[in-house]
Amino acid sequence: EAGVAQSPRYKIIEKRQSVAFWCNPISGHATLYWYQQILGQGPKLLIQFQNNGVVDDSQLPKDRFSAERLKGVDSTLKIQPAKLEDSAVYLCASSFPRQGATGTEAFFGQGTRLTVV
Amino acid sequence: GENVEQHPSTLSVQEGDSAVIKCTYSDSASNYFPWYKQELGKRPQLIIDIRSNVGEKKDQRIAVTLNKTAKHFSLHITETQPEDSAVYFCAATYTGGFKTIFGAGTRLFVKA
Repeated sequence: EAGVAQSPRYKIIEKRQSVAFWCNPISGHATLYWYQQILGQGPKLLIQFQNNGVVDDSQLPKDRFSAERLKGVDSTLKIQPAKLEDSAVYLCASSFPRQGATGTEAFFGQGTRLTVV
Repeated sequence: GENVEQHPSTLSVQEGDSAVIKCTYSDSASNYFPWYKQELGKRPQLIIDIRSNVGEKKDQRIAVTLNKTAKHFSLHITETQPEDSAVYFCAATYTGGFKTIFGAGTRLFVKA
């Protein structure tokens, strides 16, 4: 089956500019996650969608980050304006709907490496 | 809030030796504990997972153990090989919101 698709793979922008990332999850996966992975650290959850609704966005810096998942399929993550500390890999992941209340495997995309200069 | 602590941050072993990575979690309601392997420049990929109704799970050279009382779980890799060299992340899924929290990662070096 096709995996999680992300674009672009790399992006270099100047601070205070804006940038957008795109994610297409695996077909049929209702849950979509955006993670921020700073070099040498574990992925940090920014936002989680269940279909087109937000399940958790407690770690999303809402003054500059926004995300949407229109129609419950593709998703975009935007940063405006970017700061130097936003330099990281932004990973999108998706998983099947849960049966009961247990978690399931998350399938990750290749990520977008953002460099803010 | 929810938290997952992972130790050690770096682990170096000789080929053929065993490697053990340990994680602790804060929310006793967590019920799913996956382990991901991330090779340099690549995406994290699931290598093994365990649910809260099981104490141990094995898959060839990899095993995971879970102690719900102590709220910790461990990854065991036996007969390590150079291709096991990577960063390993533990994670815990919290039922309140179903979000998955990752540990900081362990960089494993297997020396030939």
